[in-house]
Order: sequence, then structure tokens, then C-alpha cells
Amino acid sequence: EAGVAQSPRYKIIEKRQSVAFWCNPISGHATLYWYQQILGQGPKLLIQFQNNGVVDDSQLPKDRFSAERLKGVDSTLKIQPAKLEDSAVYLCASSLGSGGRSGELFFGEGSRLTVL
Amino acid sequence: LAKTTQPISMDSYEGQEVNITCSHNNIATNDYITWYQQFPSQGPRFIIQGYKTKVTNEVASLFIPADRKSSTLSLPRVSLSDTAVYYCLVGEGDNYGQNFVFGPGTRLSVLP
Repeated sequence: EAGVAQSPRYKIIEKRQSVAFWCNPISGHATLYWYQQILGQGPKLLIQFQNNGVVDDSQLPKDRFSAERLKGVDSTLKIQPAKLEDSAVYLCASSLGSGGRSGELFFGEGSRLTVL
Repeated sequence: LAKTTQPISMDSYEGQEVNITCSHNNIATNDYITWYQQFPSQGPRFIIQGYKTKVTNEVASLFIPADRKSSTLSLPRVSLSDTAVYYCLVGEGDNYGQNFVFGPGTRLSVLP
């Protein structure tokens, strides 16, 4: 079974530039998550989709971050304009449902962003 | 949200059993306890989940006392490849999202 695919793996940009990350979840997984992981910290949820609807985006900095999940499958996370503090790994995860009772989130390898 | 507290780091030697304890004093009735493992340059990976008593799978065991205010992840006979960060999460069973919050985790170093 194919896992969660993310691209690009690495991206270096200068501040005020824009960047986009792409995620393809595991086939059939209704729920998709984007996390931000700063070095030395645990992942922090940015946004959660259920199919193509947003369930929670309370921690997404909406003045610069946007995300969409068209057709309830692939998702794109965009940052515009980037700030130095956005340097982090952006992790995409998916799950069959949204319930913790069902067990697990499946994470991709992440996209490492460096903002200079 | 139930907050969790776990040691920042632990050292062990190959072949030893490692126990990582997580405190979650304000765990709610509907909360489940889930552990994830994260290697460098990879996303976290689910290890085990439980609600009460003991859960065992091919990778680890999870011990949860009757009051559920703490839990212990037990890794039998660790090897160098078990060096990773281990996260304890506690949250309501109906919705992951903000209900499952990753803390800084426990950085386990397995030494030869």
C-alpha cells in the first residue's frame, strides 16, 4: 500500500517569497492533516480536512498560509509571503476516519522549508 | 485538552527494556492514549493506542493503570534502530485534530 506522498522534500526560499507544498494521502483516507514541525518541537496541527471540507484551521496563520483539498483527495499548502519563522518541516498526514478510536494517523516524510 | 508530561530524554543500552512514562492527570473519560515514534527526517509513526489496562502488539506494550492518570510505553530489548523521539498523545476518541496534541516528546538514545 502506497503511503502519504509529499513534495518537494526540500525547499529554500528568501523571506517574502511564496512556496507551495503538495500532499497525496493514502487512497480512501477521508481525513487529511497538515502539521508544522519546528526543529526540536513536536508537530503542530495547522489544518484538518474531512473530505474536501475544513474541520479545523484554528492554528493556521491565515494572513499568509492557505490550504485547499480539491475533490477530497490531494491537498496543497501555500505560504505567501514567507517569514523567517516559517522555517520548519511541513508534514502531511491522513487517516481513514477522524476518530482517535480508529487508531492512527499516517504521516508523509515531510517537506523541509528553509527561509533565508 | 488533556496535557501530557514525559521525560525530555532517556538513554539506554542495546538489549535492555525501556519504559517511558507519560503523565496525563486530567485525562477525560472519552480520551484515548496514543504513542508515536519519529525518526530523523521522517514523519511520526503510530506505535500503539490504548484506553485502559494493557495493550500489546509486535512492537511495544502499553500499560495504563486503573486511574488512567499515567501510561507507560514499554519497548522490549531495544536496538540502535530504536533511537528516536517518542510522543505520548491523549485525546477524545471522536476527533483527532486539535484533540491530539504533540508535545516535545521523549528523545530516546540507544547506545551500543
